[in-house]
Amino acid sequence: QQPVQSPQAVILREGEDAVINCSSSKALYSVHWYRQKHGEAPVFLMILLKGGEQKGHDKISASFNEKKQQSSLYLTASQLSYSGTYFCGTEMNNAGNMLTFGGGTRLMVKP
Amino acid sequence: NAGVMQNPRHLVRRRGQEARLRCSPMKGHSHVYWYRQLPEEGLKFMVYLQKENIIDESGMPKERFSAEFPKEGPSILRIQQVVRGDSAAYFCASSEGGSGANVLTFGAGSRLTVL
Repeated sequence: QQPVQSPQAVILREGEDAVINCSSSKALYSVHWYRQKHGEAPVFLMILLKGGEQKGHDKISASFNEKKQQSSLYLTASQLSYSGTYFCGTEMNNAGNMLTFGGGTRLMVKP
Repeated sequence: NAGVMQNPRHLVRRRGQEARLRCSPMKGHSHVYWYRQLPEEGLKFMVYLQKENIIDESGMPKERFSAEFPKEGPSILRIQQVVRGDSAAYFCASSEGGSGANVLTFGAGSRLTVL
């Protein structure tokens, strides 16, 4: 089942912070975050695993609440380059199967 | 190390024609995933393949769509008798696979337009 992302869109000024949320109705093994710029491929940002392990980007942080089946992506001191659409992708188990992506959050950072 | 290579980047077909989209995974990656993205929408899973095997095709339409990942050569997503609703960006991703969480590396996509 597709995870639900919120908000659907955010407009920021440079330097402002943003939080993007991803919720699932089912228990999760991992949550992945990707950013996609218009007309380009999605680019991996971060992965959060059940049990607390994280792999990802230096300047972007995220949390994973296993009990609530939610993840949040924190973008601090935003830069113009942060603009794009952010997708969370979820895995239900560690069997190496496909990710199910949310509908995306469009982020625009203005000067 | 080249990333995931997809071709063609843009493809125009008339209704009823066939579309073939190719994907070469990253070196060392043996797992391939195909996703479809409609304009302003998210990525919808279609199929997951390993060499010579379809692992999960739960997102593939039952008719007209097929995918393969042969022992030699790229993975191919084939759409027969295309209709206007097939117009979309088709992204391929690859991973090292195996158990545990996989980081997917995406290609630049193939944009299909059906006239």
